[in-house]
Amino acid sequence: GQSLEQPSEVTAVEGAIVQINCTYQTSGFYGLSWYQQHDGGAPTFLSYNGLDGLEETGRFSSFLSRSDSYGYLLLQELQMKDSASYFCAVRDNYGQNFVFGPGTRLSVLP
Amino acid sequence: ETGVTQSPTHLIKTRGQQVTLRCSSQSGHNTVSWYQQALGQGPQFIFQYYREEENGRGNFPPRFSGLQFPNYSSELNVNALELDDSALYLCASSLQGSYNSPLHFGNGTRLTVT
Repeated sequence: GQSLEQPSEVTAVEGAIVQINCTYQTSGFYGLSWYQQHDGGAPTFLSYNGLDGLEETGRFSSFLSRSDSYGYLLLQELQMKDSASYFCAVRDNYGQNFVFGPGTRLSVLP
Repeated sequence: ETGVTQSPTHLIKTRGQQVTLRCSSQSGHNTVSWYQQALGQGPQFIFQYYREEENGRGNFPPRFSGLQFPNYSSELNVNALELDDSALYLCASSLQGSYNSPLHFGNGTRLTVT
């Protein structure tokens, strides 16, 4: 079985930096991904980490430590439009299906 | 590039009824997955189809079934609907064979079972 944990809610102000953590317990591991989902919308892919270290894509960065079964998503220069739910997801050991975390609801305040 | 489209967007059914949800994959993708997302939770994997065959299944009963067609479109069928089946059903397409191939989701079908 596999399980992922992430904080349920995070609040920050415009322009700030926020980090959303994800810990996972898996029998196998084929990478950690992050998805963003606005209310009423579809999850959209943000980043992928297959190896340890930091991946940067514009204002968003994602980090992975396989030895600690831990990763995080870092959002910089927060904007109001970043208010959404963020999900970490691990690719299942036996196929291409993903196991998603419960999600972190980010609220960006003016 | 055409994205993933799902139909219908909303559906209301009665307990015990059957429902069929439809999905058109993003062009160039050969794999389709279905996820169930209850309110306030993360998507839960139902099953995946590749080359018109089921290629993995999550912890869902057999009354959840699916099809993938030669054009990579897909259907999700749910029989004997239960109240707990009320959720957002998401279809996602991807490219088989690449570990970092992300899922491309449709906007989902909101199913309400009364």
